[in-house]
Amino acid sequence: DAKTTQPPSMDCAEGRAANLPCNHSTISGNEYVYWYRQIHSQGPQYIIHGLKNNETNEMASLIITEDRKSSTLILPHATLRDTAVYYCIVRVPETSGSRLTFGEGTQLTVNP
Amino acid sequence: DAGVIQSPRHEVTEMGQEVTLRCKPISGHDYLFWYRQTMMRGLELLIYFNNNVPIDDSGMPEDRFSAKMPNASFSTLKIQPSEPRDSAVYFCASSSGQGPPLHFGNGTRLTVT
Repeated sequence: DAKTTQPPSMDCAEGRAANLPCNHSTISGNEYVYWYRQIHSQGPQYIIHGLKNNETNEMASLIITEDRKSSTLILPHATLRDTAVYYCIVRVPETSGSRLTFGEGTQLTVNP
Repeated sequence: DAGVIQSPRHEVTEMGQEVTLRCKPISGHDYLFWYRQTMMRGLELLIYFNNNVPIDDSGMPEDRFSAKMPNASFSTLKIQPSEPRDSAVYFCASSSGQGPPLHFGNGTRLTVT
């Protein structure tokens, strides 16, 4: 699985968009980008994933650069409940035995 | 859908005692994973099952740890004997097929004194 780099922490004002970056410069052609988050004292929660096209769901948007070496998770209107650690993971879904390797992630703090 | 259910939520035990953690995956999911989370090492995959069969246990720290999945709706992670360094939050997760999403339970916080 390709290695990812995320900033250790970020702050965002409530109601504003939160943009969380992730670098994955060694990503290979068949690796997907996955985002999970972990709210304090809970298990990680799946947010979104993509291969090369931008993706959007009810939780967030995922923007992947054309060269696929980086991506950005966008929470369009952050709330206090979005305060969590956000993990960016790159892997091939059909290989690696379905395991997910979590890095240190980004601690997002949404301030009132 | 009740999600992945883990029990107990908290477990405090003394060194040397046997500890059993339990997990009920989401109905219909054919993959089950056990993870451990500590401040020092983050989230680590311990073992995973496919259709109740252990596929990869390379993350299990040592022989004191064992996991079973006797049927599609139940799995256990056992530590015998437990040691203080086993203190961590243990998560169970399940998924349908190889792809996402992986659904996690809320974990069992284990404290070994």
